[in-house]
Amino acid sequence: AQSVTQPDIHITVSEGASLELRCNYSYGATPYLFWYVQSPGQGLQLLLKYFSGDTLVQGIKGFEAEFKRSQSSFNLRKPSVHWSDAAEYFCAVGAWRDDKIIFGKGTRLHILP
Amino acid sequence: DTAVSQTPKYLVTQMGNDKSIKCEQNLGHDTMYWYKQDSKKFLKIMFSYNNKELIINETVPNRFSPKSPDKAHLNLHINSLELGDSAVYFCASSGPGLAGKGYHTDTQYFGPGTRLTVL
Repeated sequence: AQSVTQPDIHITVSEGASLELRCNYSYGATPYLFWYVQSPGQGLQLLLKYFSGDTLVQGIKGFEAEFKRSQSSFNLRKPSVHWSDAAEYFCAVGAWRDDKIIFGKGTRLHILP
Repeated sequence: DTAVSQTPKYLVTQMGNDKSIKCEQNLGHDTMYWYKQDSKKFLKIMFSYNNKELIINETVPNRFSPKSPDKAHLNLHINSLELGDSAVYFCASSGPGLAGKGYHTDTQYFGPGTRLTVL
């Protein structure tokens, strides 16, 4: 069965600094990969997703992620964070043989002014 | 217009009671889900419905019973509430996904959540 790991429970960065959130997955076949964001008191919103093709995926709000098959990773990046990016970020993985996606345990992003 | 809405937003109740959470989506999607998010923010799928048919039941206690009166609605009824049921419950919906790959490959649209507190 597929699994997804987000090694960092909390990440703190200064406003304007760059950001990278890590995500590692485990699955034998090519996975479908997603990043969702959850602002405080809100539901989840899709930032971006990868199914195939170009391994660098652009998303909303200036985020991008890169699929690296050799490292089983799908890390999320943003060149310059804004205070409004403070939220919980979830990586998720799915596969066509299964009928659901599995969410990681999330990374809480804190922004210092 | 709210794409996926849930009511109520907050629910506080005593152990042993029965309660329902309602979910409606106006996106025209065929697939709807219920997720449970615990106090550590871990998000786990409970149920999914496609065209009113139950697709996933993730070993959820049978005290939880989803009901889909039509494709736009998926309600969650919980009997004999227990302390461990306290959590935030999210409803979501999605489109058909990639051709031949399944609806779970599509973007999921989440409701704002219902925070259930069992005393």
